[in-house]
Amino acid sequence: NAGVMQNPRHLVRRRGQEARLRCSPMKGHSHVYWYRQLPEEGLKFMVYLQKENIIDESGMPKERFSAEFPKEGPSILRIQQVVRGDSAAYFCASSLRASGRVDSYNEQFFGPGTRLTVL
Amino acid sequence: GNSVTQMEGPVTLSEEAFLTINCTYTATGYPSLFWYVQYPGEGLQLLLKATKADDKGSNKGFEATYRKETTSFHLEKGSVQVSDSAVYFCALSVRDTDKLIFGTGTRLQVFP
Repeated sequence: NAGVMQNPRHLVRRRGQEARLRCSPMKGHSHVYWYRQLPEEGLKFMVYLQKENIIDESGMPKERFSAEFPKEGPSILRIQQVVRGDSAAYFCASSLRASGRVDSYNEQFFGPGTRLTVL
Repeated sequence: GNSVTQMEGPVTLSEEAFLTINCTYTATGYPSLFWYVQYPGEGLQLLLKATKADDKGSNKGFEATYRKETTSFHLEKGSVQVSDSAVYFCALSVRDTDKLIFGTGTRLQVFP
């Protein structure tokens, strides 16, 4: 049973180019979360998606960033016109479902991350 | 708002020493609390969790107790090993969506 897969593992882009990061959740998982880890910092929540729906995008920058999780295929995090400040590790996590309950939690399983370097 | 504060690193210890990494949180409602570990070049792995006050999470010799009165979730291990060297993140989850809010991480270095 494969875990969460992310590709590419390393991505180098020049300023102004587009970056596409892909995340394939664990089998049977329909909830995907994207987090960004800047150098020497903790992870920051970006967006939470279910199949074909964005549930919470409160952590997404207002411009240049978008995410999708289509009915078929992986979730995509897209960064347009990248700048040096976008250089970071981007992690995807998936879960079976969100619990929405006080006394339970559905574990998020993390992928290995995509390390984006903007030259 | 929701936030997590954890002690800054690096924490440097000799093998078999006692480990404490402090973590405190601010949250509305009743969050779940977690410790994640990140080994070099890898993603995060869930180390342990606690979903309500006074719960103790434990795994691989690590423990942490959910203390509502002090809003804390300190990580402890009685005898660390070189293989425990990693970055440790304290986190809480927001109930409705389970999104995770992380502390800044604490790097642990264990020397033989």
